[in-house]
Amino acid sequence: DTAVSQTPKYLVTQMGNDKSIKCEQNLGHDTMYWYKQDSKKFLKIMFSYNNKELIINETVPNRFSPKSPDKAHLNLHINSLELGDSAVYFCASSQEGAGINYGYTFGSGTRLTVV
Amino acid sequence: QKEVEQNSGPLSVPEGAIASLNCTYSDRGSQSFFWYRQYSGKSPELIMFIYSNGDKEDGRFTAQLNKASQYVSLLIRDSQPSDSATYLCAVTGHNQGGKLIFGQGTELSVKP
Repeated sequence: DTAVSQTPKYLVTQMGNDKSIKCEQNLGHDTMYWYKQDSKKFLKIMFSYNNKELIINETVPNRFSPKSPDKAHLNLHINSLELGDSAVYFCASSQEGAGINYGYTFGSGTRLTVV
Repeated sequence: QKEVEQNSGPLSVPEGAIASLNCTYSDRGSQSFFWYRQYSGKSPELIMFIYSNGDKEDGRFTAQLNKASQYVSLLIRDSQPSDSATYLCAVTGHNQGGKLIFGQGTELSVKP
């Protein structure tokens, strides 16, 4: 009964390929996110969806395209992978109440290595 | 200036000591403040959140917030080797769509 689950956990692929990462949450949260963590452990937001609607789209190459078929799922598709895309990608979800954010629950992460 | 700044460490403390982790932020409108712990190769897990000035205690952990100084800290009492991890400070503001801005993390090492 994992709260936020991501697949796959590891992804090794060649430059130029297209790949997808899937995320599902069973917490009933309204908002889901994709974060990228670089080799220095810095976590940076990429996208956020609230009830299937895109609400945050940071400065991310348009090779990255998120899709949210419903509020429990948020997938990330990456086209034409580059070496610099190698990182750990975390999915997260959160719920706000009375304007207060109670913090995120993170998935286990997907370690993407582009060779 | 980075939006959220932490000393990257490593911070080394002996077992049983108090570990003090510090974080400053640049946006005066920030409203919610979080501390996450991340073990190597694992995902961040939420330790504490704080919204109001002052202290908030939970077991061995105490978060301290000073909005006037734009400063938030985490104290870990009776540090254990199992506390060795990277601690991430994160902040969010009003009407930011729940976006958390993270610091670069402080690596803590507790020596037996």
